[in-house]
Amino acid sequence: DAGITQSPRHKVTETGTPVTLRCHQTENHRYMYWYRQDPGHGLRLIHYSYGVKDTDKGEVSDGYSVSRSKTEDFLLTLESATSSQTSVYFCAISERGGTALDTQYFGPGTRLTVL
Amino acid sequence: ILNVEQSPQSLHVQEGDSTNFTCSFPSSNFYALHWYRWETAKSPEALFVMTLNGDEKKKGRISATLNTKEGYSYLYIKGSQPEDSATYLCAPGDANAGNMLTFGGGTRLMVKP
Repeated sequence: DAGITQSPRHKVTETGTPVTLRCHQTENHRYMYWYRQDPGHGLRLIHYSYGVKDTDKGEVSDGYSVSRSKTEDFLLTLESATSSQTSVYFCAISERGGTALDTQYFGPGTRLTVL
Repeated sequence: ILNVEQSPQSLHVQEGDSTNFTCSFPSSNFYALHWYRWETAKSPEALFVMTLNGDEKKKGRISATLNTKEGYSYLYIKGSQPEDSATYLCAPGDANAGNMLTFGGGTRLMVKP
């Protein structure tokens, strides 16, 4: 298994509070991704990173920001959580990136509930 | 963002049945297609990556074919077992979208003993 951990694994928070989720990898892979899982939609890309301090938006980036200050860590921040952001969040990594050939390896997921 | 459709959404079969499901995607600008297997309460696990028209990949009892001209891929499971119960996701990548994949909604397979 790829060395990917996510923290916390579960979180309950209230509407309007900021929340930060952490993804940590030990594989030294260049690309890191944040997805959310929603019924009927599979996985939808929120943001991704192609290197330290290099990030870009995905399909559903509104309300989310990311940061990557070290190769191994990719943080996802919900500036002011809303109930529509209740979801399971998955981090993924890929070794080379650049094209769609690269396999993405997924972390264990973080279940976030916004009340 | 690609329009990716998987059918059926869910499937119940008996142990020993063979089954197949479909992933449809835009054929223009196709670059690669990934299949993932996703068990409940676990994370998605890569099965195959396919690129060429007519490609066929196999892993144990699971195989997949690819038709890039018409924009579809089939996943086959021969002699389904209860441990095959999972959601199967396909994710095509577009030649103009770099490393970004668009995941379909998945086919949820339940195999009854």
